[in-house]
Amino acid sequence: QVQLVQSGAEVKKPGASVKVSCKASGYTFSSYGISWVRQAPGQGLEWMGWISTYNGNTNYAQKFQGRVTMTSDTSTNTAYMELRSLRSDDAAVYYCASSGEKSTIYGVVSYYYNGMDLWGQGTTVTVSS
Amino acid sequence: EIVMTQSPATLSVSPGDTATLSCRASQSVSSNLAWYQQKPGLAPRLLIYGASSRATGLPARFSGSGSGTGFTLTISSLQSEDFAIYYCQQYNNWPWTFGQGTKVEIK
Repeated sequence: QVQLVQSGAEVKKPGASVKVSCKASGYTFSSYGISWVRQAPGQGLEWMGWISTYNGNTNYAQKFQGRVTMTSDTSTNTAYMELRSLRSDDAAVYYCASSGEKSTIYGVVSYYYNGMDLWGQGTTVTVSS
Repeated sequence: EIVMTQSPATLSVSPGDTATLSCRASQSVSSNLAWYQQKPGLAPRLLIYGASSRATGLPARFSGSGSGTGFTLTISSLQSEDFAIYYCQQYNNWPWTFGQGTKVEIK
């Protein structure tokens, strides 16, 4: 079964860090990138960044630069998103989503993007003192 | 970054009617535009990619059109399960950005 399963809810204090995991199954993990998207209570969707699970290349939203790190582990088919120096406005549901299919032509790796077609169930992060 | 603007914020539609949702980009995103549906408590679901290609298994009553800066999602013969929030998202330029969403509610 093709799916992304995320880690459970987290409660953190302001200033702490949180690391959310996203385990893929049912497809070749390293052939697709992973995006992270968050949604604050009652708000819209906010794209945080993207990682190539093939080589670890990342693209982060400027808003999170310096505070977020996205990694992946092909041995366990798991992607991770760590957010540091948490503030109250970081309280949100964090989603991972597959995005971008890898293509290798003449040894050059590129990605074809067709939206985010497979989503994790979401991880609620609460930030409270 | 590219700003995506959706209109209207809320659309009141009767079951069986047609809903037309708009999404405008602050600069051209070519056809690199996706639409998502989200219901309360659930993850978003990809509906349309490439501005007009339906995701696997999506009913034909959903259609997308447009290119450049203006896009439309049309839902014909609205069913009860279609009442939800819809987001557009561009993936032409980093950072990828979402519109603020359009809520389709029962009239």
